[in-house]
Amino acid sequence: GAGVSQSPSNKVTEKGKDVELRCDPISGHTALYWYRQRLGQGLEFLIYFQGNSAPDKSGLPSDRFSAERTGESVSTLTIQRTQQEDSAVYLCASSLVDRQETQYFGPGTRLLVL
Amino acid sequence: GQNIDQPTEMTATEGAIVQINCTYQTSGFNGLFWYQQHAGEAPTFLSYNVLDGLEEKGRFSSFLSRSKGYSYLLLKELQMKDSASYLCAVVDSNYQLIWGAGTKLIIKP
Repeated sequence: GAGVSQSPSNKVTEKGKDVELRCDPISGHTALYWYRQRLGQGLEFLIYFQGNSAPDKSGLPSDRFSAERTGESVSTLTIQRTQQEDSAVYLCASSLVDRQETQYFGPGTRLLVL
Repeated sequence: GQNIDQPTEMTATEGAIVQINCTYQTSGFNGLFWYQQHAGEAPTFLSYNVLDGLEEKGRFSSFLSRSKGYSYLLLKELQMKDSASYLCAVVDSNYQLIWGAGTKLIIKP
């Protein structure tokens, strides 16, 4: 497909379990972003990948959160030992080059931690 | 610190015009985005301003004044489908993207 895809679309997990969320950016986009959005709230920046540069991890809320990206393709966001407060929609976006470019968002993964 | 301010919620009538304001205090400026987000969906791009002035795209226009740290999104001939949140985001001098919390726009018939 032409857009950003994310999987799974929905995830229900028990408190304390680890989860892995996947993002497939638009082909050719070197920049990739992860955001968290709690119900009724704005976007919360988590992490930014730009080409082969070191990622900007300044938004990760705790050391339970980590993300990887393989080259300029797929990224995975991992949340270890999930907590109920982690329940949110996790959005991935990609842009052509950098933060000055339009971001195209995926549909998000809705995570519910019981 | 860095700050983006938008009204939390606005209400307007179908067919009318509404202006959503965004003010920002950031360390430098390298452009301002407006995104639209319908409930339960991902944000979609509306506009990007980096120079002062008004950019018009159909029913939507976006204005920027860098000296005032101010932008607005103008929506004309409002339709029910325009009910959504509108997010303002600024690229600062370090090329970090700072997001506002969004303005929820409610359109009434």
